[in-house]
Amino acid sequence: DQQVKQNSPSLSVQEGRISILNCDYTNSMFDYFLWYKKYPAEGPTFLISISSIKDKNEDGRFTVFLNKSAKHLSLHIVPSQPGDSAVYFCAAGGGGQGGSEKLVFGKGTKLTVNP
Amino acid sequence: DVKVTQSSRYLVKRTGEKVFLECVQDMDHENMFWYRQDPGLGLRLIYFSYDVKMKEKGDIPEGYSVSREKKERFSLILESASTNQTSMYLCASSLPPGQGARGYTFGSGTRLTVV
Repeated sequence: DQQVKQNSPSLSVQEGRISILNCDYTNSMFDYFLWYKKYPAEGPTFLISISSIKDKNEDGRFTVFLNKSAKHLSLHIVPSQPGDSAVYFCAAGGGGQGGSEKLVFGKGTKLTVNP
Repeated sequence: DVKVTQSSRYLVKRTGEKVFLECVQDMDHENMFWYRQDPGLGLRLIYFSYDVKMKEKGDIPEGYSVSREKKERFSLILESASTNQTSMYLCASSLPPGQGARGYTFGSGTRLTVV
């Protein structure tokens, strides 16, 4: 049973517009959420994170919003650039995983930003 | 500034071969992980280790084993490679909760093709 879901396998937006990537989770014990970006043939790289005590975190063009009551988070990219084209993974931690802190990942959303 | 190093970017092996994938991290992290990434399936955890000589099965351990003789090195072993093990393999490391920044640092990945 998926604890972290990214329901959109793909998303296409125009350069300069906003990209919104969504993620839902089921485990209310999660207390930390992250977004990773992955280019083909490379490992994922950390993009932005948010603690469950916050509802928003911003870093340049990237903002993550957390709605705990809805168990939903979203990543906003404004403005979108062609170099943002990649697969984005949502991840959650703290769900009672113990000392090893295994992150639970969504299946990813492939973002394509068209020039 | 490379922190998690996977020994090979691309590998081609024959069915039935024993395959070793090596991962080394220089961040003194206790936790290390092996994932595979397949289209539409996201990141799936194969094995992880939270200390030297300690290992735990992830979600898809069948056909794999691991070795962690030193803190910085975590090896993934395909005992008898099969074509359904053709995939992108990703190594990651992290600190235990409460000991620093949360989340994983990933290696660049190894694209393994079994023919």
